[in-house]
Amino acid sequence: DQQVKQNSPSLSVQEGRISILNCDYTNSMFDYFLWYKKYPAEGPTFLISISSIKDKNEDGRFTVFLNKSAKHLSLHIVPSQPGDSAVYFCAASSNSGYALNFGKGTSLLVTP
Amino acid sequence: ETGVTQSPTHLIKTRGQQVTLRCSSQSGHNTVSWYQQALGQGPQFIFQYYREEENGRGNFPPRFSGLQFPNYSSELNVNALELDDSALYLCASSFSVGTYEQYFGPGTRLTVT
Repeated sequence: DQQVKQNSPSLSVQEGRISILNCDYTNSMFDYFLWYKKYPAEGPTFLISISSIKDKNEDGRFTVFLNKSAKHLSLHIVPSQPGDSAVYFCAASSNSGYALNFGKGTSLLVTP
Repeated sequence: ETGVTQSPTHLIKTRGQQVTLRCSSQSGHNTVSWYQQALGQGPQFIFQYYREEENGRGNFPPRFSGLQFPNYSSELNVNALELDDSALYLCASSFSVGTYEQYFGPGTRLTVT
C-alpha cells in the first residue's frame, strides 16, 4: 500500500516562475519528510527536509511546507531554472529513522 | 569527501542465478541502506545495516540478504533471481543509525532475463 503519494506524474513550468510539487501521506506516524531530486543515470540527491514539529523550512530557492492536519507537504522552487528539470521524490520516515518511504516521483520540466 | 559508490554499474543475469552488488558508504557514515527502484516507481526499502548487523528490513523475501563490513562498506546478495528482480538497486549511507537524511549512490542496474 502506497503510504506516500505524488499524484502529479509530471509538471511543466517556465523558467523564472514558481514550481510547486505536491505530496500526500497516509501514515500519521511519519514525523520527518524529505525531498530528493534525481537526474537520469544518477542516484537521488538529497534536497531539503522538514521535521513534523515545523511547518516550513527554507534553503535558498527551495522551500518545503508541511500541513500535518491535511497530511500534505509541498516543495516550492523559486525561481525555477532549466537545471531544475529532474524527477522529484517525496519521502517520509517514522521515528525509527531507518526506512524512507518514497512516492513515485514527479517529473519537472523547466522550459526557457 | 568521497560520496557513495556502487559497483557494478550494470549487470545482466539469468533467472535462477545469484548476484552480489557492492557499495562503499560516504566517508564518515556508518549506516548503509539498500533500496530497489522498479521502472516508474519510487525506491523501496530493502534493509539497513549498522555495525555489521541488520537494523531493519522492508517487505522483501529472505533471498535478499546483505552484509556490512568493518569499513562500513556493504553487499546486497540476491539468490534465485526472478524476472521481477530487474530494477535499479540503490545504496544509501547516513551519518549514523537514526539519522533521517540518507545519501544515495548512482545505483546498479540489474536486468534478469
